Order: sequence, then C-alpha cells, then structure tokens
Amino acid sequence: EDQVTQSPEALRLQEGESSSLNCSYTVSGLRGLFWYRQDPGKGPEFLFTLYSAGEEKEKERLKATLTKKESFLHITAPKPEDSATYLCAGGYGGSQGNLIFGKGTKLSVKP
Amino acid sequence: NAGVTQTPKFQVLKTGQSMTLQCAQDMNHEYMSWYRQDPGMGLRLIHYSVGAGITDQGEVPNGYNVSRSTTEDFPLRLLSAAPSQTSVYFCASSYSASSYNSPLHFGNGTRLTVT
Repeated sequence: EDQVTQSPEALRLQEGESSSLNCSYTVSGLRGLFWYRQDPGKGPEFLFTLYSAGEEKEKERLKATLTKKESFLHITAPKPEDSATYLCAGGYGGSQGNLIFGKGTKLSVKP
Repeated sequence: NAGVTQTPKFQVLKTGQSMTLQCAQDMNHEYMSWYRQDPGMGLRLIHYSVGAGITDQGEVPNGYNVSRSTTEDFPLRLLSAAPSQTSVYFCASSYSASSYNSPLHFGNGTRLTVT
C-alpha cells in the first residue's frame, strides 16, 4: 500500500532557528512529490513539485529536496509568518486522483 | 479571478438530513475533486472528476454523491447525514487530470457538523 508519512507532527521554532520537515514515501511508482502550506481556516496552498531524486526547489526561506526515499522541506531563518501546517503528497498512477497526502507538520515560529 | 469557491463556509445538520456542498472554479480546469480533512488524518479523497460528465470514486465515497454537468461546477451531495461525516470538506481543481505538472488549487473549505 502506498504511503506518505510526515515527521514531526509538530515543530516549535524560535524566529531565525533553521530546521527541516521530513516526508517519507513509498518508493515504487512515485511520479511527483508535492508540498503544500495550509493556514488555519484555509485550504492548502501549493508550494513545490519535485519529480526525481536530487531535485531541489526554493522559494524565499523554503527549500524542498527529494531523495529516493524521502523529501525534506528546509526552512532557513524562519519568521512568525511561516507558521502554518505543511502538507506533503505523493502522486502515484496516471491521475490526480492517485494523490496520497501525509498528515502534515504543524510549524510554530515564535518571535 | 476567484479561483475555487466553496459554499457554504459553515453548516450544521441533523442526522438524516441531506444537503449539497457547492464548488465552482473559474479557471477552466479539467480536474475537480472533493476531499475531507479530519483531525490527525491526512486529506482523504471522496470523489473526483476528470471532465464534464465523468466522475469516479476516491478513497472514502460512501454516503456521498457527485455529478459534473459543467466544467465549472462540482457539487457534493450528502444523502443522509451521519455524525461520522462531521469534517472539513475541501474542493480542489487542476488544469490537467492526467499530469502532475499542474498542482491542485483548493477552496477554503466547508466546515460541516452533524448532530
């Protein structure tokens, strides 16, 4: 059974304290690995798509990387406005209907 | 550009009542879908559509119906509400159903409580 597992469930950081969020996935058949950000009371907002091991993408203080077994979302010098729940999803099969979401990591950044 | 619009934002139902959650997108997206999000669980797919007139079941379809008569609209019907359907429901759309090159665009959700 295809699975996507995120860790930790929750992460509390001080402003400026860099860290990483982890997303491990079932290896076989992965066609894309997605990161989304979700603010309270809102729908998820797309951040990145990664397709192959070794790929990296950056956006402001965020950098997503992909290996053969997991993906990391690195947050460099976070600010309070980076506080949110970060979701990853694995795309398997030939349709968007085959996306599998992890349970998310809730990030809190204190000033 | 409104994106994906969901109505209502909040709804309280009694067990056994029926209702329709509305979803509309103005981006001419081919793919539309409904997810539910429960505490401690990831987003779970209820139903999806790869184009007008075409729908299919996701991971948790029981108790829900969908139809897609137009490209823009994808309503979700609860036939006879049960407390287990208390959840936050998200509609999402994407330009392409068959390619992961286009990400999902989500609405802001409908919070449903069934008493």
